Amino acid sequence: QKEVEQNSGPLSVPEGAIASLNCTYSDRGSQSFFWYRQYSGKSPELIMFIYSNGDKEDGRFTAQLNKASQYVSLLIRDSQPSDSATYLCAAGGYQKVTFGTGTKLQVIP
Amino acid sequence: DAGITQSPRHKVTETGTPVTLRCHQTENHRYMYWYRQDPGHGLRLIHYSYGVKDTDKGEVSDGYSVSRSKTEDFLLTLESATSSQTSVYFCAISESAGTDQPQHFGDGTRLSIL
Repeated sequence: QKEVEQNSGPLSVPEGAIASLNCTYSDRGSQSFFWYRQYSGKSPELIMFIYSNGDKEDGRFTAQLNKASQYVSLLIRDSQPSDSATYLCAAGGYQKVTFGTGTKLQVIP
Repeated sequence: DAGITQSPRHKVTETGTPVTLRCHQTENHRYMYWYRQDPGHGLRLIHYSYGVKDTDKGEVSDGYSVSRSKTEDFLLTLESATSSQTSVYFCAISESAGTDQPQHFGDGTRLSIL
C-alpha cells in the first residue's frame, strides 16, 4: 500500500466548474499536508499547505483536511484551462515528506 | 521563486560513466533534498542533507552518493551510471525538516543513460 494515494486521473472538468482532487494517507503520524501543481515538463510548484483539521482557503483554492479519516482534498473553484496540470499531494511526518503520484486535471474550455 | 539552480538541465551519458548533478541555493536554507521522478512512482527521495557535511539516505539511495561542503551547494553523484537511473532529478530545499515547512523545488535535470 502506498503511503499517499491519489487517483491518477485524468479528471476532466469544464471551464468554470469546481475541480475536486482527493488524497488519502496511511501514516497517522503525518502532521502537515501539501498540494503541489506540476505542469508537464516542469517542476512541482507549491499551491497550499494545511496542518489543522478543516478548511483553508487561498483565492480559488481550498484545502480540506480530515485527520480522523486520513483524507486531504483540494478544491479549485472557477477552473480555468491554465489549471490543467498534475496535482501532487504530500504528507509530512518526522523528517520525511511522502509524495503521491499525482492526479492529472484537464479543464475543458 | 525560491533561488534554486540545478545544473546541468539536460545530460545524456553512457552506462558506466560517473555523473555529478549540482544544486545551488541562495536562500540559506538548512535542508536540501534530491529526488527522482519516474512515471508511476512519483517523487522518491534519494538523499537529503540537514547541514554542511550532514547527510542521510532516502528510500532509493542505492547507486547514489551526495556531498555538501557549503550551505548553498548539494551534489548528487552517480558513481557508475546505469540505465535504470535514467530519470528526472529534482533538488528541493526547506527551512526545516519538512514537517511544518514546505519544500521548494528546482527546475530539474533530465538525465538519460544509454
